[in-house]
Amino acid sequence: QVTLKESGPVLVKPTETLTLTCTVSGFSLSNARMGVSWIRQPPGKALEWLAHIFSNDEKSYSTSLKSRLTISKDTSKSQVVLTMTNMDPVDTATYYCARNTYYYGSGSRNYYMDVWGKGTTVTVSS
Amino acid sequence: SSELTQDPAVSVALGQTVRITCQGDSLRSYYASWYQQKPGQAPVLVIYGKNNRPSGIPDRFSGSSSGNTASLTITGAQAEDEADYYCNSRDSSGNHLGWVFGGGTKLTVL
Repeated sequence: QVTLKESGPVLVKPTETLTLTCTVSGFSLSNARMGVSWIRQPPGKALEWLAHIFSNDEKSYSTSLKSRLTISKDTSKSQVVLTMTNMDPVDTATYYCARNTYYYGSGSRNYYMDVWGKGTTVTVSS
Repeated sequence: SSELTQDPAVSVALGQTVRITCQGDSLRSYYASWYQQKPGQAPVLVIYGKNNRPSGIPDRFSGSSSGNTASLTITGAQAEDEADYYCNSRDSSGNHLGWVFGGGTKLTVL
């Protein structure tokens, strides 16, 4: 059974750095088709993709947040870590990690996020 | 980065068919995936690729794509389909290669 579970602080202060961990089970982060994305959702708002790490350790970041984000993984621990610097109250949201995999079709990779964690809620407040 | 545009809200009578659309330049190059989210829950994948359903997703859910528009169709909507629906695709605008979500569509089943 594939599962992902987010963990991290519930409350952070403005200007602090947020560190979130996604612990996965049921698949290996070294599997060629297996990547992990982080997504967030402010209260009452839409989903926002933040960052992705591929099996070969290549990374991709949201253009608008790239300067504040770092994604990394520890394959031996089955963990993906996201750090976000200089937190602000507008960063208050539920943060999700999801397995982001692909299949080959029509000559290209077709990606999809097939398993999500339950999410962890982060509040930014002094 | 690219944007995906969805209607904020759509309603459908119980048992009828509803189409939820998603528009964006990235959809000319990539298929959309669709996610259902009920209040207080994590999103669930319902459609991916050309028109693929994960195991456990009812066959009343289907997907299609034409030009810059992707569509999620629910044929014979049920009360339990009332939820927010989000489209997602790869985003290759500029030098960036990432992903982008639509703003979401709130589906009400009447």
